[in-house]
Amino acid sequence: GNSVTQMEGPVTLSEEAFLTINCTYTATGYPSLFWYVQYPGEGLQLLLKATKADDKGSNKGFEATYRKETTSFHLEKGSVQVSDSAVYFCALSDQGASKIIFGSGTRLSIRP
Amino acid sequence: ETGVTQSPTHLIKTRGQQVTLRCSSQSGHNTVSWYQQALGQGPQFIFQYYREEENGRGNFPPRFSGLQFPNYSSELNVNALELDDSALYLCASSLTSGRGTGELFFGEGSRLTVL
Repeated sequence: GNSVTQMEGPVTLSEEAFLTINCTYTATGYPSLFWYVQYPGEGLQLLLKATKADDKGSNKGFEATYRKETTSFHLEKGSVQVSDSAVYFCALSDQGASKIIFGSGTRLSIRP
Repeated sequence: ETGVTQSPTHLIKTRGQQVTLRCSSQSGHNTVSWYQQALGQGPQFIFQYYREEENGRGNFPPRFSGLQFPNYSSELNVNALELDDSALYLCASSLTSGRGTGELFFGEGSRLTVL
């Protein structure tokens, strides 16, 4: 079945460091891909998405590119801030499917 | 615009009991999905309701059931509670426009502890 695998955390970085969180997927068909973020004490919220191969999703300085050849959707940010500390979830949705499949999450902590 | 609200925020039950969790969807959304998030794990899809009908179900037993009401709010019911049902239950609403499910908007969840 369809699945998402993302790098295990926790990931701890210093402020202004470069961030990469790896995500790979297994899916039949052509899924849409997402990154969701869960800030402390808040609900899950969509960070960015890409709906077809080679699309780049971006938001709040974060980027991820839909790579069909490597079945990957890695999350990157050039310069992280303390406020980026959160749990990040990679996810996929099949076209027309009713459910979204989430990875296990990566906890990110940024030191001042 | 009112966001997704869930109640109760926390509750404690004992094995064998039944629980009902409630969700009010975001204004204008016609679809509600329920997820179970165990500690340290990603959310697992339980089921989705669209226009008061179940529209997809994950790998959960029949003792997990749900309802969607005409105002698009929803309930999740779990019978014969087991210890492993302890988790954060997330409700997400979205607008389905006939071309697949749109972006999910999540509530903050109901944390269930089964003793």
